[in-house]
Amino acid sequence: GAVVSQHPSWVICKSGTSVKIECRSLDFQATTMFWYRQFPKQSLMLMATSNEGSKATYEQGVEKDKFLINHASLTLSTLTVTSAHPEDSSFYICSAGGDGNYNEQFFGPGTRLTVL
Amino acid sequence: GDSVTQMEGPVTLSEEAFLTINCTYTATGYPSLFWYVQYPGEGLQLLLKATKADDKGSNKGFEATYRKETTSFHLEKGSVQVSDSAVYFCALSGRAGNMLTFGGGTRLMVKP
Repeated sequence: GAVVSQHPSWVICKSGTSVKIECRSLDFQATTMFWYRQFPKQSLMLMATSNEGSKATYEQGVEKDKFLINHASLTLSTLTVTSAHPEDSSFYICSAGGDGNYNEQFFGPGTRLTVL
Repeated sequence: GDSVTQMEGPVTLSEEAFLTINCTYTATGYPSLFWYVQYPGEGLQLLLKATKADDKGSNKGFEATYRKETTSFHLEKGSVQVSDSAVYFCALSGRAGNMLTFGGGTRLMVKP
């Protein structure tokens, strides 16, 4: 199956700093990528949908100035958490949508962000 | 809007027991249905999928049948192993652009 990578797999940062998380589709071109947030023992919460070459579409309640998403190419999307605070600590997961007919998404391994 | 409801966990079973995790959905049209598995500290892995009514998805001994009449996609396995301990998510894709709607997840714990 298709492979999606995320980098870094974990990051610890100080409050007030910005953190960038990369999501790459390694063996296919992804016109659409998705960013999710997952709190402990909870389901995934869709944060935004990014389409290559256009602005991301954010879900209701997600601050677009706080969570900057860039989808510069068909294989790379980045999520930048700006001025991070402890409440931003979470597990962030990206996924990439293929161009097949079954609306399947391929998930990255996730990035655990801890803000001190 | 679309929604997915799955049984709350945790589900605790002994090794070699039979597993059922219920999943029902609400959607317009004809969604594709998925089961994803998440092992501790990892992202989601696709376990199986079904794209039309009466399709049966299967993988690694797990099965689920797309039942349109009951809007269900229950996950089953005849004999679970300790290594199956994980969180299982039922999901559907009915919206444009590959968007998924997830259930709340069910934690499975298998004891030796």
